[in-house]
Amino acid sequence: GAVVSQHPSRVICKSGTSVKIECRSLDFQATTMFWYRQFPKQSLMLMATSNEGSKATYEQGVEKDKFLINHASLTLSTLTVTSAHPEDSSFYICSALPPGGNEQFFGPGTRLTVL
Amino acid sequence: DQQVKQNSPSLSVQEGRISILNCDYTNSMFDYFLWYKKYPAEGPTFLISISSIKDKNEDGRFTVFLNKSAKHLSLHIVPSQPGDSAVYFCAASLWGAGNNRKLIWGLGTSLAVNP
Repeated sequence: GAVVSQHPSRVICKSGTSVKIECRSLDFQATTMFWYRQFPKQSLMLMATSNEGSKATYEQGVEKDKFLINHASLTLSTLTVTSAHPEDSSFYICSALPPGGNEQFFGPGTRLTVL
Repeated sequence: DQQVKQNSPSLSVQEGRISILNCDYTNSMFDYFLWYKKYPAEGPTFLISISSIKDKNEDGRFTVFLNKSAKHLSLHIVPSQPGDSAVYFCAASLWGAGNNRKLIWGLGTSLAVNP
């Protein structure tokens, strides 16, 4: 149980385009999902917390207009990187929190490369 | 300000011996601690957790010890196996903005178990 999927696993795009990443909890409903990014040899940095049916809570320094988060259902959250630039190239990982649980379960991650 | 610290970036252990990974924290508001295992280009996998009201939790070969007075926790793996080779992240949980739980991550310790 507690499986989280992400799609796509890898994406390459041109500078200035927008990229959407999907995160799905496959066998449980998640009222809360999280979006992280990880640079090489660094830890996971929380970008935002996504609650179903409400606006996401962004961490300090994360541009909400650039990283659009939509948590439209209890099993799906999306992250859209708008007007992507090379510095946005990173490994983006989502996680989901089962109701009443303390352990987050992670998706496999999405490698974004912006040319 | 690194609230969760894993001071050893790497650790090498012989197969069959004990692996001890350490983690220190500074924020007394953390009330739940978790260990995750991560392979390159994959999402973290939950290993074991401990509530701040306990001082030990055991699950098979994995045991986590918590010393609240010292703000220190450790993960023991015994016996270590080559398949345990990965990066291990310590994470601490607390209530954040918007009444959401959030995880604060250490920088990770790369464990190599040699046959």
